[in-house]
Amino acid sequence: EPEVTQTPSHQVTQMGQEVILRCVPISNHLYFYWYRQILGQKVEFLVSFYNNEISEKSEIFDDQFSVERPDGSNFTLKIRSTKLEDSAMYFCASSERLAGIDTQYFGPGTRLTVL
Amino acid sequence: ILNVEQSPQSLHVQEGDSTNFTCSFPSSNFYALHWYRWETAKSPEALFVMTLNGDEKKKGRISATLNTKEGYSYLYIKGSQPEDSATYLCAFVMYSGYALNFGKGTSLLVTP
Repeated sequence: EPEVTQTPSHQVTQMGQEVILRCVPISNHLYFYWYRQILGQKVEFLVSFYNNEISEKSEIFDDQFSVERPDGSNFTLKIRSTKLEDSAMYFCASSERLAGIDTQYFGPGTRLTVL
Repeated sequence: ILNVEQSPQSLHVQEGDSTNFTCSFPSSNFYALHWYRWETAKSPEALFVMTLNGDEKKKGRISATLNTKEGYSYLYIKGSQPEDSATYLCAFVMYSGYALNFGKGTSLLVTP
């Protein structure tokens, strides 16, 4: 069964460093998302992406964050200058359509630890 | 900020027990309600997408109902098994939106 994959599973970085989290969505999906979960809190929406453009973003997704589809398979989330409060589990998801009624399939997450 | 609440926070049942938990969400601007099952160290697994008031969905021993007028959904597990142990997440989607707005989840532990 097709699945969303994410690398690395765990990333440790120093405050102020740039990190890139990688995702390979399901191959025929065209819509991509990033979510995060800070320990003990809810899973929060960051951004949705389609046709090389951001279609929706939350207040969390400020200028420190960017997303890219550098080739036909990868979807990346970059954090330019990490802060302690960026420590969280980051989930990538993909769907066939961009609609609230379409199932979003999630990857297993990347745990980001900022020291 | 959309207030999606789930209760109880955690639940411990014996194998064979039936159980249910609640997701409450804003009743205005409702578009869809998603349920996910999430086991530790695995990807959240989609269970149901529900859109219509009065909707009932079923997948094996798991079923869900939806009341959009009062803003709640129930998830039922009949005859719980240890492999049902997981966190069950609901997520609300606003009208014309794409973002899933999650609750904190209900953590279910089923012991033999």
